[in-house]
Amino acid sequence: DIQMTQSPSSLSASVGDRVTITCRASQDISNYLAWFQQKPGKAPKSLIYAVSKLQNGVPSKFSGSGSGTYFTLTINSLQAEDLGTYYCQQYSTYPYTFGQGTKLEIK
Amino acid sequence: QVQLVESGGGVVQPGRSLRLSCAASGFIFKNYAMYWVRQAPGKGLEWVSVIWYDGSDEYYGDAVKGRFAISRDNSKNILYLQMDSLRGDDTAIYYCGRSRTATSTVIEYWGQGTLVTVSS
Repeated sequence: DIQMTQSPSSLSASVGDRVTITCRASQDISNYLAWFQQKPGKAPKSLIYAVSKLQNGVPSKFSGSGSGTYFTLTINSLQAEDLGTYYCQQYSTYPYTFGQGTKLEIK
Repeated sequence: QVQLVESGGGVVQPGRSLRLSCAASGFIFKNYAMYWVRQAPGKGLEWVSVIWYDGSDEYYGDAVKGRFAISRDNSKNILYLQMDSLRGDDTAIYYCGRSRTATSTVIEYWGQGTLVTVSS
């Protein structure tokens, strides 16, 4: 199975900051990489697919980049409502797999 | 708008079975692949299963392969997950999800989840 490793596991940032989360795949997954946001006590929400394409309704403050085995999610102009846990997922090869998550806290 | 509503969760003894349902509305159900993803208490997301739009193919995560079975009824717009030989580590919130397009296999929409607790 393809292993997805996110870093950091947690981070704390201030309103207005720009934050970057990284996701590494254990093998080449081309551009089959998605990002999800999960706020406390809520279902996940889809943010990005195909590395950098925003899902409908997702604000442009979220952006993704990368290819192959290394990927990043960047959140610009951090707001309080951006707190939660962010997950990457590969959908290149079954079984699809998620990263362990990055918990984002607002200072 | 797209709605996915899971049901069927509850408390079940180890070794027993349970069937989850996901009622879909707001889109043409038969045109999309559908998923199950779970989340154990305090843990991350775990991909469980996917079924093709027409039910012709399905895949499972390693932890559930051989014990769980995904299916769908395109005439009723319902997705199912039959869970057999349940174990304590199957305790989780189970979410259903819909693919982004008819030919894409990435999840776009999620339901609110249903909690399954496996305990004696």
